[in-house]
Formats: sequence, structure tokens, C-alpha cells
Amino acid sequence: RKEVEQDPGPFNVPEGATVAFNCTYSNSASQSFFWYRQDCRKEPKLLMSVYSSGNEDGRFTAQLNRASQYISLLIRDSKLSDSATYLCVGLRSGYALNFGKGTSLLVTP
Amino acid sequence: DARVTQTPRHKVTEMGQEVTMRCQPILGHNTVFWYRQTMMQGLELLAYFRNRAPLDDSGMPKDRFSAEMPDATLATLKIQPSEPRDSAVYFCASALDSREAFFGQGTRLTVV
Repeated sequence: RKEVEQDPGPFNVPEGATVAFNCTYSNSASQSFFWYRQDCRKEPKLLMSVYSSGNEDGRFTAQLNRASQYISLLIRDSKLSDSATYLCVGLRSGYALNFGKGTSLLVTP
Repeated sequence: DARVTQTPRHKVTEMGQEVTMRCQPILGHNTVFWYRQTMMQGLELLAYFRNRAPLDDSGMPKDRFSAEMPDATLATLKIQPSEPRDSAVYFCASALDSREAFFGQGTRLTVV
């Protein structure tokens, strides 16, 4: 069982919609969390870090819930260019990044 | 623009041949990861180095895979002998300590 679990989707949403992904982690010792975006046949790229207080970057909002051991990513006003796979990542100090398998998002016109 | 550089970008080889993949981490980063990605398994950690010392290579088949960091600017991943099931995209990523990691563009390996 992977330490980080995600719903693989695909999530198909119309342009302009709001979509949210959740990701659960099993190791409570995980200290840092990130969301990465991966386009088809490309490398994963850092989208945003996730802080306990929640953080926002434009149309993207990330939240961490330590009590329930999940992180979330909210995308508002979806664009066609948001179509990609979104990977959540947990990190324990001294250990390698633990990636979920990713959630596929397709934004349609 | 600092980036992780991987070579080669693509490799097609015959079963049984040795394959060497190289990675140049971002200058100043002291942590290097090797991941393998397939459609079925997603991103799997193969090896993880901190300050050139291997910290975790439990995900790597030891009989045929080896990972090294001859110096701080070069990480290598070797497969000998290669098998068709090794066909995948191999990513290298680097980070400063336990901060966010940055990925190279990957080596797409096909073993026939």
C-alpha cells in the first residue's frame, strides 16, 4: 500500500468549473506536502507547497488537514490548460518524496 | 535558469545490454532521487542520495541496477543486463535537503 493515495480519476470538467482533489496519507510523521503537475510525456513540475494554514496561488488553493491526514487542491475557474495529472507528495525528514499515483484532470470546452 | 539535466533523453537497446543514465543535479542541491515511471505503477523510487551518500535504494532491483554519485555534479543509474520489463521513463530529481524537488526531463528507455 502506498503511503500516499489519490483518486486516479479522470475528472472531466467544463471550462470555468471548480474542481477539487483530495489525497490521503498514511504516515502521520509526514512533515511537508506538495502538489506537482505532470503533463503527458513530461516531467512532474512543482505546482505548490502545502502549508497547515492553507495557501493560495491565483486560482489554486491547497489545504492540509493533519487530524484527518489529507491534503486537498482546489482549482477555480478551470482552464483548458489545466488538463494534466496532479500528483500529491508527502515528505518525512530524512526520507524520499512519496508520490501518489496522480489524479487525471481533463478540462473540456 | 537552473535545471536538472538528464542524458540521454531517449534510449532503445536490446535485451542484455548495459544501459547507463546520467543526471546533473541543480548546482548546490545536495539531495538526488532516481524514480521510474510506468503507466501501471506511477512514480516508483529507485534510489535516494543525500550529500552523495545513498540513503535508500530499497526500491531498486539489486541484481541488475546500480546507482552512484561519483561527484556532487553527477549521478548515474546503470542497468546490466537490461530486460524488456525495464522499459519505462527514468526521472532524476534534485533538492536542497528536504525541500521541494525539481525533476529532469527524464530518460525514456525501451528495451527490445
